[in-house]
Amino acid sequence: AQSVTQLDSQVPVFEEAPVELRCNYSSSVSVYLFWYVQYPNQGLQLLLKYLSGSTLVKGINGFEAEFNKSQTSFHLRKPSVHISDTAEYFCAVSSSSGSARQLTFGSGTQLTVLP
Amino acid sequence: ETGVTQSPTHLIKTRGQQVTLRCSSQSGHNTVSWYQQALGQGPQFIFQYYREEENGRGNFPPRFSGLQFPNYSSELNVNALELDDSALYLCASTLGTGITDTQYFGPGTRLTVL
Repeated sequence: AQSVTQLDSQVPVFEEAPVELRCNYSSSVSVYLFWYVQYPNQGLQLLLKYLSGSTLVKGINGFEAEFNKSQTSFHLRKPSVHISDTAEYFCAVSSSSGSARQLTFGSGTQLTVLP
Repeated sequence: ETGVTQSPTHLIKTRGQQVTLRCSSQSGHNTVSWYQQALGQGPQFIFQYYREEENGRGNFPPRFSGLQFPNYSSELNVNALELDDSALYLCASTLGTGITDTQYFGPGTRLTVL
């Protein structure tokens, strides 16, 4: 079984400051990792994903994440946040349920960007 | 904009009733997954349909069932509603069933059970 732990439930940060949202996973097999963002009253939007290759993954809206196999982490970073980045962020790992490929999500991190 | 739509946006039901939620996938996407997102939690996998057959199920009882149609639409049915079924229900469409396929989520249906 695979699981995802998001270490911070809430992260407040001032506008233009850097931010890191932490994610750790557990898995007994190869992992495929994702970060999704959810704006208020909306569904989930894919920010970025790690499938293989370079451990530094760049996504949309200036976000990037680094896959660290030894620390089983996939932390999300942005060098300078904007008010519009305020949202809930979910880390997820791709796993299997029978022949289905499902996403197993963490409990989310609420990022609040303050003026 | 993911091209995945869901209806209705909001729904209020009472305990014991039945509900049907609808999802329209991206054209060409043969796979649809349904997730339940309780307040303050991450989404939890309910089940997946591939080419109109259930392809896998999470830890949800049989009163959660689904249908997928040839026109890329699908339904989630929940019988004998319980208070704990109150949640945001999300559908996600995928081109195939590969472990690396990107899932595109709809905006969700907010179900409230009183």
